[in-house]
Amino acid sequence: GESVGLHLPTLSVQEGDNSIINCAYSNSASDYFIWYKQESGKGPQFIIDIRSNMDKRQGQRVTVLLNKTVKHLSLQIAATQPGDSAVYFCAETLLNGSARQLTFGSGTQLTVLP
Amino acid sequence: NAGVTQTPKFQVLKTGQSMTLQCAQDMNHNSMYWYRQDPGMGLRLIYYSASEGTTDKGEVPNGYNVSRLNKREFSLRLESAAPSQTSVYFCATRTGPYNEKLFFGSGTQLSVL
Repeated sequence: GESVGLHLPTLSVQEGDNSIINCAYSNSASDYFIWYKQESGKGPQFIIDIRSNMDKRQGQRVTVLLNKTVKHLSLQIAATQPGDSAVYFCAETLLNGSARQLTFGSGTQLTVLP
Repeated sequence: NAGVTQTPKFQVLKTGQSMTLQCAQDMNHNSMYWYRQDPGMGLRLIYYSASEGTTDKGEVPNGYNVSRLNKREFSLRLESAAPSQTSVYFCATRTGPYNEKLFFGSGTQLSVL
Protein backbone atom coordinates (compact mmCIF):
# COMPACT_ATOMS: atom_id res chain seq x y z
CA GLY A 1 0.00 0.00 0.00
CA GLU A 2 0.92 3.64 -0.16
CA SER A 3 3.10 5.33 2.41
CA VAL A 4 4.85 8.61 2.96
CA GLY A 5 8.58 8.46 2.41
CA LEU A 6 11.37 8.61 -0.14
CA HIS A 7 10.65 5.33 -1.90
CA LEU A 8 7.40 4.45 -3.59
CA PRO A 9 5.93 1.00 -3.03
CA THR A 10 6.29 -1.01 -6.22
CA LEU A 11 4.23 -3.68 -7.87
CA SER A 12 5.38 -5.77 -10.82
CA VAL A 13 2.90 -7.91 -12.73
CA GLN A 14 2.99 -9.98 -15.88
CA GLU A 15 1.14 -8.67 -18.87
CA GLY A 16 -2.34 -10.14 -18.88
CA ASP A 17 -2.48 -10.74 -15.12
CA ASN A 18 -4.70 -8.77 -12.77
CA SER A 19 -3.21 -6.01 -10.60
CA ILE A 20 -4.32 -4.92 -7.15
CA ILE A 21 -3.07 -1.62 -5.76
CA ASN A 22 -3.86 -0.70 -2.17
CA CYS A 23 -4.32 2.56 -0.33
CA ALA A 24 -4.90 3.30 3.33
CA TYR A 25 -6.65 6.58 3.97
CA SER A 26 -6.47 8.58 7.15
CA ASN A 27 -9.74 10.39 7.85
CA SER A 28 -12.87 8.43 8.71
CA ALA A 29 -14.92 11.51 7.73
CA SER A 30 -13.74 11.35 4.10
CA ASP A 31 -16.74 10.72 1.90
CA TYR A 32 -15.39 10.59 -1.64
CA PHE A 33 -12.33 8.87 -3.06
CA ILE A 34 -10.50 9.10 -6.35
CA TRP A 35 -7.82 7.04 -8.05
CA TYR A 36 -5.35 8.80 -10.32
CA LYS A 37 -2.84 7.40 -12.81
CA GLN A 38 0.38 9.30 -13.45
CA GLU A 39 2.60 8.30 -16.33
CA SER A 40 6.23 9.36 -16.38
CA GLY A 41 6.59 13.04 -17.19
CA LYS A 42 2.86 13.69 -17.19
CA GLY A 43 0.24 15.07 -14.86
CA PRO A 44 -2.13 12.85 -12.86
CA GLN A 45 -5.10 11.56 -14.80
CA PHE A 46 -8.47 10.62 -13.27
CA ILE A 47 -9.27 6.90 -13.45
CA ILE A 48 -12.25 6.14 -11.24
CA ASP A 49 -14.01 7.44 -8.17
CA ILE A 50 -16.26 6.09 -5.42
CA ARG A 51 -18.48 7.65 -2.79
CA SER A 52 -18.53 6.47 0.80
CA ASN A 53 -22.06 5.11 0.47
CA MET A 54 -20.74 2.46 -1.92
CA ASP A 55 -18.29 -0.38 -1.40
CA LYS A 56 -17.57 -1.22 -5.03
CA ARG A 57 -17.56 0.55 -8.35
CA GLN A 58 -16.57 -0.78 -11.75
CA GLY A 59 -15.22 0.96 -14.80
CA GLN A 60 -13.61 -0.27 -17.95
CA ARG A 61 -11.06 -2.89 -16.78
CA VAL A 62 -10.85 -1.18 -13.38
CA THR A 63 -12.69 -1.77 -10.13
CA VAL A 64 -12.40 0.20 -6.91
CA LEU A 65 -13.25 -1.39 -3.57
CA LEU A 66 -13.84 0.61 -0.42
CA ASN A 67 -13.68 -0.80 3.12
CA LYS A 68 -14.66 1.99 5.49
CA THR A 69 -14.23 -0.20 8.55
CA VAL A 70 -10.48 -0.36 8.10
CA LYS A 71 -10.17 2.82 5.98
CA HIS A 72 -8.84 0.97 2.97
CA LEU A 73 -9.20 1.40 -0.77
CA SER A 74 -8.04 -0.86 -3.52
CA LEU A 75 -7.80 -0.49 -7.28
CA GLN A 76 -8.05 -3.63 -9.35
CA ILE A 77 -6.90 -3.60 -12.96
CA ALA A 78 -7.99 -6.56 -15.07
CA ALA A 79 -5.77 -8.02 -17.79
CA THR A 80 -2.96 -5.56 -17.13
CA GLN A 81 -1.36 -4.09 -20.26
CA PRO A 82 2.01 -2.39 -20.86
CA GLY A 83 0.22 0.95 -21.09
CA ASP A 84 -0.90 0.52 -17.50
CA SER A 85 2.66 1.01 -16.25
CA ALA A 86 2.52 4.18 -14.17
CA VAL A 87 2.29 5.53 -10.63
CA TYR A 88 -1.18 5.11 -9.14
CA PHE A 89 -2.34 7.11 -6.16
CA CYS A 90 -5.51 7.61 -4.27
CA ALA A 91 -7.06 10.80 -2.95
CA GLU A 92 -9.50 11.08 -0.08
CA THR A 93 -11.80 14.06 0.10
CA LEU A 94 -14.24 15.63 2.50
CA LEU A 95 -16.14 18.86 2.77
CA ASN A 96 -14.26 21.29 4.98
CA GLY A 97 -16.26 24.43 5.56
CA SER A 98 -16.92 26.04 2.18
CA ALA A 99 -14.75 23.78 0.06
CA ARG A 100 -13.91 20.16 -0.64
CA GLN A 101 -10.48 19.26 0.70
CA LEU A 102 -8.34 16.62 -1.01
CA THR A 103 -5.49 14.66 0.53
CA PHE A 104 -3.30 12.59 -1.77
CA GLY A 105 -1.41 9.40 -1.05
CA SER A 106 2.19 9.04 -2.19
CA GLY A 107 1.49 6.40 -4.81
CA THR A 108 2.44 2.92 -5.98
CA GLN A 109 4.65 2.30 -9.00
CA LEU A 110 3.11 -0.37 -11.24
CA THR A 111 5.43 -2.07 -13.73
CA VAL A 112 4.00 -4.43 -16.33
CA LEU A 113 6.42 -7.14 -17.40
CA PRO A 114 6.28 -8.57 -20.94
CA ASN B 1 -9.27 22.15 -26.43
CA ALA B 2 -6.00 21.90 -24.52
CA GLY B 3 -7.40 21.53 -20.97
CA VAL B 4 -4.79 22.78 -18.50
CA THR B 5 -1.57 24.19 -19.98
CA GLN B 6 1.55 24.89 -17.94
CA THR B 7 4.67 26.74 -18.99
CA PRO B 8 7.56 26.23 -18.89
CA LYS B 9 7.96 22.43 -18.80
CA PHE B 10 11.49 22.60 -17.41
CA GLN B 11 13.44 25.30 -15.60
CA VAL B 12 16.78 25.52 -13.84
CA LEU B 13 17.36 28.41 -11.45
CA LYS B 14 20.17 29.55 -9.25
CA THR B 15 19.49 30.17 -5.57
CA GLY B 16 18.00 33.63 -5.14
CA GLN B 17 16.65 33.97 -8.67
CA SER B 18 12.98 34.61 -9.26
CA MET B 19 10.56 33.17 -11.77
CA THR B 20 6.88 32.77 -12.52
CA LEU B 21 5.16 29.54 -13.49
CA GLN B 22 2.19 30.05 -15.76
CA CYS B 23 -1.04 28.07 -15.89
CA ALA B 24 -3.95 28.56 -18.26
CA GLN B 25 -7.16 26.55 -18.62
CA ASP B 26 -9.84 26.49 -21.28
CA MET B 27 -12.29 24.34 -19.31
CA ASN B 28 -14.23 27.32 -17.91
CA HIS B 29 -13.52 26.08 -14.38
CA ASN B 30 -13.84 28.44 -11.45
CA SER B 31 -11.25 26.93 -9.11
CA MET B 32 -7.52 26.63 -9.77
CA TYR B 33 -4.73 25.09 -7.69
CA TRP B 34 -0.96 24.85 -7.47
CA TYR B 35 0.60 21.65 -6.10
CA ARG B 36 4.13 20.46 -5.67
CA GLN B 37 5.17 16.83 -5.98
CA ASP B 38 8.32 15.55 -4.32
CA PRO B 39 9.78 12.03 -4.59
CA GLY B 40 7.90 9.52 -2.46
CA MET B 41 5.39 12.09 -1.24
CA GLY B 42 1.83 12.89 -2.14
CA LEU B 43 0.85 16.09 -3.91
CA ARG B 44 0.93 19.03 -1.52
CA LEU B 45 -1.20 22.11 -2.01
CA ILE B 46 0.72 25.40 -2.22
CA TYR B 47 -2.00 27.95 -3.03
CA TYR B 48 -5.44 27.89 -4.54
CA SER B 49 -8.03 30.19 -6.01
CA ALA B 50 -11.58 29.07 -5.34
CA SER B 51 -12.90 31.61 -7.82
CA GLU B 52 -11.71 34.56 -9.87
CA GLY B 53 -10.59 37.33 -7.54
CA THR B 54 -9.75 35.14 -4.56
CA THR B 55 -6.60 33.32 -3.49
CA ASP B 56 -5.80 31.33 -0.34
CA LYS B 57 -2.86 29.54 1.19
CA GLY B 58 -2.62 25.80 1.10
CA GLU B 59 -0.48 23.39 3.07
CA VAL B 60 2.98 24.67 1.99
CA PRO B 61 2.71 28.36 0.92
CA ASN B 62 6.01 29.70 2.28
CA GLY B 63 8.31 31.09 -0.41
CA TYR B 64 5.54 31.41 -3.01
CA ASN B 65 3.03 33.96 -4.21
CA VAL B 66 0.16 33.61 -6.65
CA SER B 67 -1.93 35.76 -8.94
CA ARG B 68 -5.33 34.87 -10.36
CA LEU B 69 -5.03 37.07 -13.44
CA ASN B 70 -8.49 36.22 -14.80
CA LYS B 71 -10.75 33.18 -14.90
CA ARG B 72 -8.38 31.32 -17.23
CA GLU B 73 -4.98 32.08 -15.74
CA PHE B 74 -3.34 31.39 -12.38
CA SER B 75 0.38 32.04 -11.92
CA LEU B 76 2.81 30.91 -9.23
CA ARG B 77 5.81 33.10 -8.39
CA LEU B 78 9.01 32.23 -6.60
CA GLU B 79 10.53 35.54 -5.48
CA SER B 80 13.86 34.13 -4.26
CA ALA B 81 14.29 30.49 -5.19
CA ALA B 82 15.81 28.04 -2.71
CA PRO B 83 17.08 24.47 -3.26
CA SER B 84 14.18 23.22 -1.12
CA GLN B 85 11.87 24.42 -3.88
CA THR B 86 13.30 21.90 -6.33
CA SER B 87 10.22 19.92 -7.25
CA VAL B 88 7.65 19.18 -9.92
CA TYR B 89 4.84 21.71 -9.89
CA PHE B 90 1.34 20.94 -11.09
CA CYS B 91 -1.50 23.26 -11.81
CA ALA B 92 -4.99 21.82 -11.46
CA THR B 93 -8.53 23.02 -11.95
CA ARG B 94 -12.03 21.96 -11.04
CA THR B 95 -15.52 23.23 -11.67
CA GLY B 96 -15.80 24.78 -8.23
CA PRO B 97 -14.60 24.33 -4.64
CA TYR B 98 -17.37 21.83 -3.90
CA ASN B 99 -16.55 19.66 -6.87
CA GLU B 100 -14.38 16.65 -6.31
CA LYS B 101 -12.55 16.01 -9.57
CA LEU B 102 -9.32 17.80 -10.28
CA PHE B 103 -7.89 18.09 -13.77
CA PHE B 104 -4.13 18.46 -13.93
CA GLY B 105 -1.65 20.08 -16.26
CA SER B 106 1.45 18.22 -17.40
CA GLY B 107 3.75 19.82 -14.83
CA THR B 108 6.82 22.02 -14.57
CA GLN B 109 10.03 20.39 -13.43
CA LEU B 110 12.03 22.99 -11.49
CA SER B 111 15.58 22.60 -10.25
CA VAL B 112 17.16 25.18 -7.96
CA LEU B 113 20.93 24.94 -7.72
